[in-house]
Amino acid sequence: GENVEQHPSTLSVQEGDSAVIKCTYSDSASNYFPWYKQELGKRPQLIIDIRSNVGEKKDQRIAVTLNKTAKHFSLHITETQPEDSAVYFCAANDYKLSFGAGTTVTVRA
Amino acid sequence: GAVVSQHPSRVICKSGTSVKIECRSLDFQATTMFWYRQFPKQSLMLMATSNEGSKATYEQGVEKDKFLINHASLTLSTLTVTSAHPEDSSFYICSAARDRALDTQYFGPGTRLTVL
Repeated sequence: GENVEQHPSTLSVQEGDSAVIKCTYSDSASNYFPWYKQELGKRPQLIIDIRSNVGEKKDQRIAVTLNKTAKHFSLHITETQPEDSAVYFCAANDYKLSFGAGTTVTVRA
Repeated sequence: GAVVSQHPSRVICKSGTSVKIECRSLDFQATTMFWYRQFPKQSLMLMATSNEGSKATYEQGVEKDKFLINHASLTLSTLTVTSAHPEDSSFYICSAARDRALDTQYFGPGTRLTVL
């Protein structure tokens, strides 16, 4: 089955700086890679996703890159704000979603 | 669109009792629903995949006789935790997919189960 590894587990950044979270996956059949933001006690919220036929996708301050050859994908958040503080999960989908362990992001004001 | 609800949002029960959690897709028909469990400060772990009108597919290590899943319609799936024990205390989250691609999943708000 799919194995998704996510790094770092915690990330503290100064407001306005960028945050980068990296994930690797094992199954070359995976073709869909979503990123979720989860606040404490809440449901995961899809913030951006990318499919295997695309190398990069951007939505305002958030961007995702995918390297299929190396089997890794990354989330980039620019101009971070305190409300970006949350736990972020990457996931890879072959026939089901497999989640990374999560990254706790803290944006210091 | 694509709203998924869960009920109850929070439940406390005594050890040995059974608890039923409902997951509903409110504005679309869900071909497939998924049940996840999330322990504190951990990731989401898929428990089972359910398709309307057929038996659920359980992930390795998940006891199908303990976690009963029923997907009676295209808008409702239920998870029953039978003979609950304190170690079953967790955050249970469902999600629903509305097409065969299964990749875009819409998550419910979760149910916090506490077993005393």
